[in-house]
Amino acid sequence: GQNIDQPTEMTATEGAIVQINCTYQTSGFNGLFWYQQHAGEAPTFLSYNVLDGLEEKGRFSSFLSRSKGYSYLLLKELQMKDSASYLCAIYNFNKFYFGSGTKLNVKP
Amino acid sequence: DTAVSQTPKYLVTQMGNDKSIKCEQNLGHDTMYWYKQDSKKFLKIMFSYNNKELIINETVPNRFSPKSPDKAHLNLHINSLELGDSAVYFCASSRTRDVNNYGYTFGSGTRLTVV
Repeated sequence: GQNIDQPTEMTATEGAIVQINCTYQTSGFNGLFWYQQHAGEAPTFLSYNVLDGLEEKGRFSSFLSRSKGYSYLLLKELQMKDSASYLCAIYNFNKFYFGSGTKLNVKP
Repeated sequence: DTAVSQTPKYLVTQMGNDKSIKCEQNLGHDTMYWYKQDSKKFLKIMFSYNNKELIINETVPNRFSPKSPDKAHLNLHINSLELGDSAVYFCASSRTRDVNNYGYTFGSGTRLTVV
């Protein structure tokens, strides 16, 4: 089976850097994805890791360590519009298994 | 141009009724999905179709029946609605059944409330 853990909620200040962690246990692994979901809206794809290491995409970076069952999403130069939930998801056998998401509150 | 569109966006209905949610994608993707997001915000897969063929059928009550008339459409029909069916239902699509760098494209969701 799959088990995915993320903090429920985090608060950070505009312009700062925040790291959202995700730990997982899984019986199979074909990749780890991060999605952003604003309240009342659909999740949107942010990043994808299948190999260990850091993937950078503008202000967003995602890190994966498969041996530790650990990933993080790093958001730099936080903006108010980054206030949203961030979902960690394991991709395995053509299915996504989502964590419950981390609600990020960005304050001025 | 909406990539993955679901209708209706909101649905309020009484227990015992039968309802359908429609989904269409104009991305030319081969694979479509239905996910359910409950009150605790967990997204769980329900069904997946690849080129009109059912490839994933998670443990959901058989009151839920997906139908894919063509690869651009995946509808969800729910019979005998129950209070516990209240949730947000997301349709999604992907280029192929093997998701690589692109993830899914999700629809905007259908908020179903059973009263």
